[in-house]
Amino acid sequence: AQTVTQSQPEMSVQEAETVTLSCTYDTSESDYYLFWYKQPPSRQMILVIRQEAYKQQNATENRFSVNFQKAAKSFSLKISDSQLGDAAMYFCAYRSADDMRFGAGTRLTVKP
Amino acid sequence: DGGITQSPKYLFRKEGQNVTLSCEQNLNHDAMYWYRQDPGQGLRLIYYSQIVNDFQKGDIAEGYSVSREKKESFPLTVTSAQKNPTAFYLCASSEQAWSTDTQYFGPGTRLTVL
Repeated sequence: AQTVTQSQPEMSVQEAETVTLSCTYDTSESDYYLFWYKQPPSRQMILVIRQEAYKQQNATENRFSVNFQKAAKSFSLKISDSQLGDAAMYFCAYRSADDMRFGAGTRLTVKP
Repeated sequence: DGGITQSPKYLFRKEGQNVTLSCEQNLNHDAMYWYRQDPGQGLRLIYYSQIVNDFQKGDIAEGYSVSREKKESFPLTVTSAQKNPTAFYLCASSEQAWSTDTQYFGPGTRLTVL
């Protein structure tokens, strides 16, 4: 079974600065998607960004961008100009045609 | 507004009782999913349904049951056979099952066994 590993249980960033959250995964598939979801205190899971494995270009959504290293099976999330509203649990997820896996999550704290 | 609704937000159950968690979507999605979230862990798949009247077990289906009689509804029953049901339950949907489509989530139900 595929696994998704988030090695940072907790991260902290100063408001307006940049932080990078790490994610690695294990798969033998060639066609898959990777996602970052945000779960604020309300516990609603919100899609932040997604990356198709066949695309070499890293996905970007406003202040959020990823560094996708397919050979290394690495998928990190960079948050630029961090805001207080970015404080949440962040989950990395892997999805293939017959599987969906989530990492254990990274709790991000934003300091004013 | 299109979206996924779950009810109730909080649910309390006595030991030995079955309880049913509701999940409704108006996104016209074919596929629906149920996940369980425990503290310090990611989401684990309980059941999923690709189409009406069809559903499949996920990684932790024991002690749970589902039905899919309508496209928009996918209720989850937590039975008395589930040994440790206290958790946060999330319902999700996607246009198609297992096609790498993005899953969209409901707000969740917090179940506590008294």
